[in-house]
Amino acid sequence: AQSVTQLGSHVSVSEGALVLLRCNYSSSVPPYLFWYVQYPNQGLQLLLKYTTGATLVKGINGFEAEFKKSETSFHLTKPSAHMSDAAEYFCAVSDQGSRGSTLGRLYFGRGTQLTVWP
Amino acid sequence: DGGITQSPKYLFRKEGQNVTLSCEQNLNHDAMYWYRQDPGQGLRLIYYSQIVNDFQKGDIAEGYSVSREKKESFPLTVTSAQKNPTAFYLCASSSGRISTDTQYFGPGTRLTVL
Repeated sequence: AQSVTQLGSHVSVSEGALVLLRCNYSSSVPPYLFWYVQYPNQGLQLLLKYTTGATLVKGINGFEAEFKKSETSFHLTKPSAHMSDAAEYFCAVSDQGSRGSTLGRLYFGRGTQLTVWP
Repeated sequence: DGGITQSPKYLFRKEGQNVTLSCEQNLNHDAMYWYRQDPGQGLRLIYYSQIVNDFQKGDIAEGYSVSREKKESFPLTVTSAQKNPTAFYLCASSSGRISTDTQYFGPGTRLTVL
């Protein structure tokens, strides 16, 4: 099974500062990687995902993430935080199961709560 | 608008009662999922279904049951056997055709046991 570790359950930054949310995964084969955002009492929304190709992936709301195979990492960054970025962020990994087995099954990290100070 | 709806938004249950959470999607997706979310635990998979009339247990299926009689519907029953059912429950769906699929989430149901 896959596993995902998000370092830091809480991250606080000032408005305008760099946002860095860390995600490491364990997988025996190259995984597919996702970042989701959750606002209070809502469902999850996809920020970005890595499947194949370019290792730097750009997502919505100015976020991006870089897949580093050698470090088994997929850290999420944003150059300048905005108050509206305050939310919980989840890193997830999908395995390459075939249809009828575990196709599309996501394994989630425990989440990182981002606070943005004015 | 296409999307996933969950109802009710808030649900209160007395101990010993079974309750059913509704999940409906009009995205024409084959695959549907139920997750449980507890503070600091992330999302844990309860059940998933890749096609109508078929479903598989996830990591924490004990005390839960599901059915998938229609493509657009995947209701979750929380039974009295679930010892600690108070949590936020999220339903999701995806096309189910490839592993790079995006899962789309509903707004969630918050279940509280009184």
